[in-house]
Amino acid sequence: GAGVSQSPSNKVTEKGKDVELRCDPISGHTALYWYRQSLGQGLEFLIYFQGNSAPDKSGLPSDRFSAERTGGSVSTLTIQRTQQEDSAVYLCASSLELAGNTGELFFGEGSRLTVL
Amino acid sequence: SQQGEEDPQALSIQEGENATMNCSYKTSINNLQWYRQNSGRGLVHLILIRSNEREKHSGRLRVTLDTSKKSSSLLITASRAADTASYFCAGAQAGTALIFGKGTTLSVSS
Repeated sequence: GAGVSQSPSNKVTEKGKDVELRCDPISGHTALYWYRQSLGQGLEFLIYFQGNSAPDKSGLPSDRFSAERTGGSVSTLTIQRTQQEDSAVYLCASSLELAGNTGELFFGEGSRLTVL
Repeated sequence: SQQGEEDPQALSIQEGENATMNCSYKTSINNLQWYRQNSGRGLVHLILIRSNEREKHSGRLRVTLDTSKKSSSLLITASRAADTASYFCAGAQAGTALIFGKGTTLSVSS
Protein backbone atom coordinates (compact mmCIF):
# COMPACT_ATOMS: atom_id res chain seq x y z
CA GLY A 1 0.00 0.00 0.00
CA ALA A 2 0.91 3.62 -0.32
CA GLY A 3 0.94 4.39 3.37
CA VAL A 4 1.44 2.80 6.77
CA SER A 5 -1.38 0.39 7.50
CA GLN A 6 -2.46 -0.60 10.99
CA SER A 7 -4.96 -3.22 12.10
CA PRO A 8 -7.30 -3.51 13.79
CA SER A 9 -8.41 0.13 13.78
CA ASN A 10 -10.46 -0.53 16.90
CA LYS A 11 -10.17 -3.27 19.47
CA VAL A 12 -12.28 -3.77 22.59
CA THR A 13 -11.10 -6.48 24.94
CA GLU A 14 -11.64 -7.68 28.45
CA LYS A 15 -9.09 -7.20 31.18
CA GLY A 16 -6.67 -10.11 31.27
CA LYS A 17 -6.91 -11.02 27.60
CA ASP A 18 -3.99 -10.81 25.18
CA VAL A 19 -4.10 -8.54 22.12
CA GLU A 20 -2.03 -8.27 18.97
CA LEU A 21 -1.71 -5.09 16.98
CA ARG A 22 -0.30 -5.17 13.48
CA CYS A 23 1.64 -2.59 11.48
CA ASP A 24 2.44 -2.79 7.80
CA PRO A 25 5.02 -0.09 6.98
CA ILE A 26 5.73 1.63 3.71
CA SER A 27 7.63 -0.71 1.42
CA GLY A 28 11.38 -0.16 1.63
CA HIS A 29 11.29 1.69 4.95
CA THR A 30 13.96 0.22 7.19
CA ALA A 31 12.93 1.91 10.44
CA LEU A 32 9.66 1.19 12.20
CA TYR A 33 8.37 2.78 15.42
CA TRP A 34 5.61 2.12 17.93
CA TYR A 35 4.11 4.91 20.04
CA ARG A 36 1.21 5.05 22.46
CA GLN A 37 -1.10 8.03 22.87
CA SER A 38 -3.54 8.26 25.75
CA LEU A 39 -6.57 10.53 25.47
CA GLY A 40 -5.49 14.14 25.04
CA GLN A 41 -1.86 13.32 25.69
CA GLY A 42 1.34 13.37 23.71
CA LEU A 43 3.06 10.41 22.17
CA GLU A 44 4.82 7.94 24.41
CA PHE A 45 7.67 6.13 22.67
CA LEU A 46 7.53 2.35 23.04
CA ILE A 47 10.05 0.69 20.73
CA TYR A 48 11.71 1.05 17.36
CA PHE A 49 13.14 -1.38 14.83
CA GLN A 50 16.02 -0.97 12.42
CA GLY A 51 15.43 -3.83 10.04
CA ASN A 52 14.37 -6.75 12.24
CA SER A 53 16.43 -5.61 15.23
CA ALA A 54 15.11 -3.55 18.11
CA PRO A 55 18.04 -1.42 19.37
CA ASP A 56 15.86 0.48 21.82
CA LYS A 57 13.15 -1.25 23.85
CA SER A 58 13.40 1.22 26.70
CA GLY A 59 9.91 2.60 26.24
CA LEU A 60 8.02 -0.66 26.73
CA PRO A 61 5.97 -0.06 29.92
CA SER A 62 6.27 -3.58 31.32
CA ASP A 63 7.19 -7.15 30.42
CA ARG A 64 3.58 -7.65 29.31
CA PHE A 65 4.50 -5.70 26.19
CA SER A 66 6.53 -7.21 23.38
CA ALA A 67 7.06 -6.52 19.71
CA GLU A 68 8.63 -8.24 16.77
CA ARG A 69 9.31 -7.48 13.17
CA THR A 70 9.84 -10.11 10.53
CA GLY A 71 11.29 -9.87 7.05
CA GLY A 72 12.12 -6.23 7.63
CA SER A 73 8.48 -5.46 7.04
CA VAL A 74 5.39 -6.21 9.14
CA SER A 75 5.55 -5.66 12.89
CA THR A 76 3.32 -6.98 15.65
CA LEU A 77 2.92 -5.39 19.07
CA THR A 78 1.60 -7.87 21.62
CA ILE A 79 0.13 -6.94 24.98
CA GLN A 80 -0.40 -9.84 27.35
CA ARG A 81 -2.88 -9.90 30.23
CA THR A 82 -4.23 -6.46 29.30
CA GLN A 83 -5.02 -3.94 32.00
CA GLN A 84 -7.37 -0.96 31.88
CA GLU A 85 -4.43 1.44 31.86
CA ASP A 86 -3.36 -0.10 28.54
CA SER A 87 -6.33 1.62 26.90
CA ALA A 88 -4.91 4.08 24.36
CA VAL A 89 -4.29 4.62 20.68
CA TYR A 90 -1.24 2.71 19.48
CA LEU A 91 0.46 4.48 16.60
CA CYS A 92 2.94 2.93 14.22
CA ALA A 93 5.30 4.90 11.99
CA SER A 94 7.98 4.06 9.48
CA SER A 95 10.83 5.96 7.88
CA LEU A 96 13.31 5.39 5.11
CA GLU A 97 16.13 5.97 7.55
CA LEU A 98 16.38 6.69 11.24
CA ALA A 99 14.85 10.00 12.32
CA GLY A 100 18.19 11.13 13.70
CA ASN A 101 19.63 10.79 10.23
CA THR A 102 17.04 13.20 8.76
CA GLY A 103 14.37 10.53 8.47
CA GLU A 104 10.82 11.83 8.20
CA LEU A 105 8.27 9.59 9.92
CA PHE A 106 5.11 8.42 8.18
CA PHE A 107 2.35 7.46 10.60
CA GLY A 108 -0.53 5.05 10.35
CA GLU A 109 -4.01 5.98 11.57
CA GLY A 110 -3.52 4.02 14.78
CA SER A 111 -5.19 1.14 16.60
CA ARG A 112 -7.55 2.24 19.35
CA LEU A 113 -7.48 -0.24 22.21
CA THR A 114 -10.13 -0.25 24.90
CA VAL A 115 -9.73 -2.60 27.84
CA LEU A 116 -12.93 -3.11 29.81
CA SER B 1 14.51 11.61 27.77
CA GLN B 2 12.02 14.08 26.40
CA GLN B 3 13.13 15.75 23.22
CA GLY B 4 10.26 18.12 22.67
CA GLU B 5 8.12 20.23 24.96
CA GLU B 6 5.64 22.59 23.36
CA ASP B 7 4.33 25.88 24.65
CA PRO B 8 1.57 26.94 24.95
CA GLN B 9 -0.47 23.80 25.58
CA ALA B 10 -3.49 25.40 23.93
CA LEU B 11 -3.93 28.36 21.59
CA SER B 12 -7.15 29.91 20.29
CA ILE B 13 -7.09 32.50 17.49
CA GLN B 14 -9.28 33.96 14.78
CA GLU B 15 -8.93 33.15 11.10
CA GLY B 16 -6.36 35.36 9.43
CA GLU B 17 -4.25 35.76 12.57
CA ASN B 18 -0.80 34.27 12.98
CA ALA B 19 -0.17 31.37 15.34
CA THR B 20 3.16 30.89 17.08
CA MET B 21 4.08 27.75 18.94
CA ASN B 22 7.32 27.19 20.82
CA CYS B 23 9.30 24.06 21.50
CA SER B 24 12.15 23.37 23.89
CA TYR B 25 14.36 20.34 24.04
CA LYS B 26 17.01 19.07 26.41
CA THR B 27 19.95 17.51 24.61
CA SER B 28 21.86 18.09 21.39
CA ILE B 29 20.02 17.11 18.23
CA ASN B 30 20.72 16.38 14.58
CA ASN B 31 17.42 17.85 13.45
CA LEU B 32 14.10 19.03 14.81
CA GLN B 33 10.81 18.07 13.23
CA TRP B 34 7.27 19.44 13.49
CA TYR B 35 4.19 17.29 13.00
CA ARG B 36 0.48 17.96 12.88
CA GLN B 37 -2.32 15.71 14.14
CA ASN B 38 -5.96 16.17 13.29
CA SER B 39 -8.35 14.80 15.89
CA GLY B 40 -8.46 10.99 15.82
CA ARG B 41 -5.85 10.68 13.08
CA GLY B 42 -2.17 9.86 12.78
CA LEU B 43 0.56 12.47 12.71
CA VAL B 44 1.61 14.16 9.49
CA HIS B 45 5.11 15.55 8.96
CA LEU B 46 5.18 19.31 8.37
CA ILE B 47 8.77 20.42 8.27
CA LEU B 48 12.29 19.40 9.31
CA ILE B 49 15.06 21.79 10.25
CA ARG B 50 18.64 20.62 10.58
CA SER B 51 20.87 21.61 13.49
CA ASN B 52 23.02 23.81 11.21
CA GLU B 53 19.98 25.74 9.93
CA ARG B 54 18.43 28.73 11.67
CA GLU B 55 15.25 29.27 9.71
CA LYS B 56 13.16 27.41 7.19
CA HIS B 57 10.00 28.21 5.26
CA SER B 58 7.35 26.02 3.71
CA GLY B 59 4.24 27.73 2.38
CA ARG B 60 2.58 29.48 5.33
CA LEU B 61 4.92 27.77 7.80
CA ARG B 62 8.07 29.34 9.20
CA VAL B 63 10.30 27.41 11.58
CA THR B 64 13.24 28.78 13.52
CA LEU B 65 15.86 26.89 15.49
CA ASP B 66 18.15 28.26 18.18
CA THR B 67 20.55 25.51 19.22
CA SER B 68 22.19 27.70 21.87
CA LYS B 69 18.84 28.01 23.66
CA LYS B 70 17.68 24.52 22.64
CA SER B 71 14.46 25.96 21.30
CA SER B 72 12.41 26.15 18.13
CA SER B 73 9.31 28.00 17.04
CA LEU B 74 6.64 27.26 14.47
CA LEU B 75 4.79 30.19 12.95
CA ILE B 76 1.65 29.65 10.89
CA THR B 77 0.71 32.80 9.03
CA ALA B 78 -2.78 33.81 7.94
CA SER B 79 -4.34 30.90 9.79
CA ARG B 80 -7.41 29.10 8.52
CA ALA B 81 -10.08 27.02 10.26
CA ALA B 82 -8.51 23.98 8.59
CA ASP B 83 -5.31 24.60 10.58
CA THR B 84 -7.17 23.50 13.72
CA ALA B 85 -5.16 20.54 15.01
CA SER B 86 -2.52 19.53 17.52
CA TYR B 87 1.08 20.36 16.69
CA PHE B 88 4.05 18.39 17.99
CA CYS B 89 7.77 18.97 17.87
CA ALA B 90 10.45 16.34 18.26
CA GLY B 91 14.21 16.54 18.38
CA ALA B 92 16.11 13.73 16.69
CA GLN B 93 19.47 12.47 17.84
CA ALA B 94 21.68 10.22 15.75
CA GLY B 95 20.73 6.57 15.94
CA THR B 96 17.65 7.05 18.08
CA ALA B 97 13.92 7.23 17.70
CA LEU B 98 11.99 10.49 17.61
CA ILE B 99 10.72 11.55 21.03
CA PHE B 100 7.70 13.84 21.00
CA GLY B 101 6.35 16.40 23.42
CA LYS B 102 2.73 16.73 24.53
CA GLY B 103 1.80 19.12 21.76
CA THR B 104 0.04 22.42 21.31
CA THR B 105 -3.67 22.30 20.52
CA LEU B 106 -4.52 25.07 18.06
CA SER B 107 -8.10 26.19 17.54
CA VAL B 108 -8.81 28.59 14.68
CA SER B 109 -12.29 30.03 14.64
CA SER B 110 -13.93 31.69 11.64
